[in-house]
Amino acid sequence: KAGVTQTPRYLIKTRGQQVTLSCSPISGHRSVSWYQQTPGQGLQFLFEYFSETQRNKGNFPGRFSGRQFSNSRSEMNVSTLELGDSALYLCASSKGVPVGELFFGEGSRLTVL
Amino acid sequence: DQQVKQNSPSLSVQEGRISILNCDYTNSMFDYFLWYKKYPAEGPTFLISISSIKDKNEDGRFTVFLNKSAKHLSLHIVPSQPGDSAVYFCAASSGDNAGNMLTFGGGTRLMVKP
Repeated sequence: KAGVTQTPRYLIKTRGQQVTLSCSPISGHRSVSWYQQTPGQGLQFLFEYFSETQRNKGNFPGRFSGRQFSNSRSEMNVSTLELGDSALYLCASSKGVPVGELFFGEGSRLTVL
Repeated sequence: DQQVKQNSPSLSVQEGRISILNCDYTNSMFDYFLWYKKYPAEGPTFLISISSIKDKNEDGRFTVFLNKSAKHLSLHIVPSQPGDSAVYFCAASSGDNAGNMLTFGGGTRLMVKP
């Protein structure tokens, strides 16, 4: 079956702009999580959505937001981009249980200039 | 403050030998632990997990050991194969309310030499 699909795969933005990343989960998966990966901080949890509701949020500023649609597809948005937001943004889907067994997409690599 | 640490950034082993990857954690609320592996240009892939009520879980060549008193877990790969060369992340979760909010270690790059 099709895996987790993230778009776009690569993008370049400038400081102050905003960006929207999209994630299509595996069919039947109701949970979508977002993680940020950087060389300095590693993989850090951003937020999780389950059945269109945010279930958990990581320690990121309010510039980072997300949502989930009724078909389980999810988007995350970063406003007022900063240089430090340059990272690989990974989306992961799961059925919900067992907790933690996530299926990751290939990521969206964001470069902020 | 890193709650999950992988102190070895890299590990090199010979094909056929055992690979042992280590992970330490500080948060006593963690009760479920997982290992993921990541190849370049791909997302992490789930490998194996263990609940805090167990001290060992085995799946084929992969075995995870948990020592709760030491707040330490390890992943054993026996025998190691060149295709196992990847970055391995340990991750931890703190109960059902945490959902899929995982705390990851920094990763260990495993190189298996033919």
